[in-house]
Amino acid sequence: AQTVTQSQPEMSVQEAETVTLSCTYDTSESNYYLFWYKQPPSRQMILVIRQEAYKQQNATENRFSVNFQKAAKSFSLKISDSQLGDTAMYFCASQNSNSGYALNFGKGTSLLVTP
Amino acid sequence: ETGVTQSPTHLIKTRGQQVTLRCSSQSGHNTVSWYQQALGQGPQFIFQYYREEENGRGNFPPRFSGLQFPNYSSELNVNALELDDSALYLCASSKGTGPSYEQYFGPGTRLTVT
Repeated sequence: AQTVTQSQPEMSVQEAETVTLSCTYDTSESNYYLFWYKQPPSRQMILVIRQEAYKQQNATENRFSVNFQKAAKSFSLKISDSQLGDTAMYFCASQNSNSGYALNFGKGTSLLVTP
Repeated sequence: ETGVTQSPTHLIKTRGQQVTLRCSSQSGHNTVSWYQQALGQGPQFIFQYYREEENGRGNFPPRFSGLQFPNYSSELNVNALELDDSALYLCASSKGTGPSYEQYFGPGTRLTVT
């Protein structure tokens, strides 16, 4: 079974600072994508960033970047210059090709950005 | 472009009843996936529909069933509701079912079973 583990239930960061959210995964897929999703208090899940496993270069999207360590099966999210609007639940997810590439989510990390 | 919509927003049902949740996919999307998100947990995959056919199923009992219509909107039906079915139900649509297709989520339906 594929598993995604987020070991930090809650984190806090001050505005303008940098924070890193951790994620480890286990998969038997040969090619796969990994994702970070954001779920603000209003509930709608939004894709933050994704990484294709065979690409060695770490993905970046503006203030969001990942540190993808394939051998260690680690996929952390770094948020630079944190903003109040970054306050949300963050979910790490992998895909399962046996289920139409449905998403396997971790339990999430609640991030609070303080002034 | 209209995003993914879900109805109703909230509903309350009694144990043993049946419920139908609805999802309208984003324009141009032919795949809908349903997820159950219990309080404080990550979403769990229920099943996926691709071009009106079930294309994958998670570890949920048969009383969870679904349907996809020719316009690619979808329904999730749950029979014989149990207290543990109380959760946020999310649907997500995508342009296809391969690994590169991004899933776009709706706002969810909050189901409370009493």
